[in-house]
Order: sequence, then C-alpha cells, then structure tokens
Amino acid sequence: SQELEQSPQSLIVQEGKNLTINCTSSKTLYGLYWYKQKYGEGLIFLMMLQKGGEEKSHEKITAKLDEKKQQSSLHITASQPSHAGIYLCGADSGSDTNAGKSTFGDGTTLTVKP
Amino acid sequence: DSGVTQTPKHLITATGQRVTLRCSPRSGDLSVYWYQQSLDQGLQFLIQYYNGEERAKGNILERFSAQQFPDLHSELNLSSLELGDSALYFCASSRSGDTQYFGPGTRLTVL
Repeated sequence: SQELEQSPQSLIVQEGKNLTINCTSSKTLYGLYWYKQKYGEGLIFLMMLQKGGEEKSHEKITAKLDEKKQQSSLHITASQPSHAGIYLCGADSGSDTNAGKSTFGDGTTLTVKP
Repeated sequence: DSGVTQTPKHLITATGQRVTLRCSPRSGDLSVYWYQQSLDQGLQFLIQYYNGEERAKGNILERFSAQQFPDLHSELNLSSLELGDSALYFCASSRSGDTQYFGPGTRLTVL
C-alpha cells in the first residue's frame, strides 16, 4: 500500500518567515492533496495537484508536485498566526484520482510565533 | 462553515454498544465520505457513497457499516464497539471529487 512521509513532523517559525513542508510517497503519485486542520477540528481542503510540475496557490500557500521525485512541497510565504495548525497530505493509491479515497501522511504541526 | 453538518458532536458509550453517526452534505453534493482519525492510526478513509450507492471502500471494519439515503444524508453505524474505536469521525462531501468539504466531526469515546 502507498505510504506518505511528511517532513518535518513539527515546525516552529517566527511570524513573517517563509517555510516549506514536504510530502514524499513510496509509490507513483497520481493525485496529491493538501489539507489543514486546527487541533481537534475539522479539515480544510487546500488544493489538489495532479500533473508533474503542477503548482497551485491558495492565498499565501503554494504547493508543487514533483512527480519524478514522488514528492510534493507546500510553501507558506510570510507566515501568520492564522497559518498555524496541522498540515496533512493525502494521495491516491491508483490512477482513479478521487480526493476522498486518499492515503494520508501523519501531518506536520506548524506553530507560528507572533 | 463548510455547509456539512454532523451529529452528534460528542458521543460517550460503553464497549459492546452500537452507535449511529449522522452526516448531512452540502446542498447539491452527491458524494459523502467517512473518515476515522485517531492518535494511533492517524486519518483513515473508511467509505464513500455517491448518490446512494457505495463507491469506494477503505479501511472499514466489518463491524462498521454506512448508507446514504435518498435525501443524500448519510449514516455511519458502528457496532460491538471496542476501546480502540474511540476516535474523531469526520464526514466530507464533494460535488466533483477534486474538492472536499469536511464536517466538524463526531468525537466518539468508548469506555
């Protein structure tokens, strides 16, 4: 089965700093999804990436899919306290891309210090 | 507010019992997905329904079952509950499969 490894596990940054979270798959990526979760709350779907080299943005968050490396990176520019939370990546286990059927990483906990 | 509602918010029950979790999707969304999130296992996809029919199955135990009704709301039934079933249960809805909207979750505690 597909496994997703996220790094780092946790991250503490000063407000205004940039940061990057990585998600690496053990298998070929057909669809890669990023989510955000405030502790104990529901998830927010951020974006979906399907093609190698694809890059998408959601407010100050940009994600890119590097298909050859079976990896995606999520970059936050000029971080704000509102960016704090747990970021999860999810990936499809087959070519039938459907965000709902994803396998998920363990998450990266982001703390932004004011 | 995502537009997806889940009831109840919290549920405390005993081992061996059966519970039903309810999810109402956003208006117009035909797909409903169920997930389980626990400290041990992280977030896991359980099952998906599309317009009343089961569409995909994930790591759903045989003690668990779900259905989607004609009005598109869905119920997740958990039976013969064990301590390890304690978790947050989320549902999500989608119209096209490339974007999802999550409900606030039901926190189940099995004592």
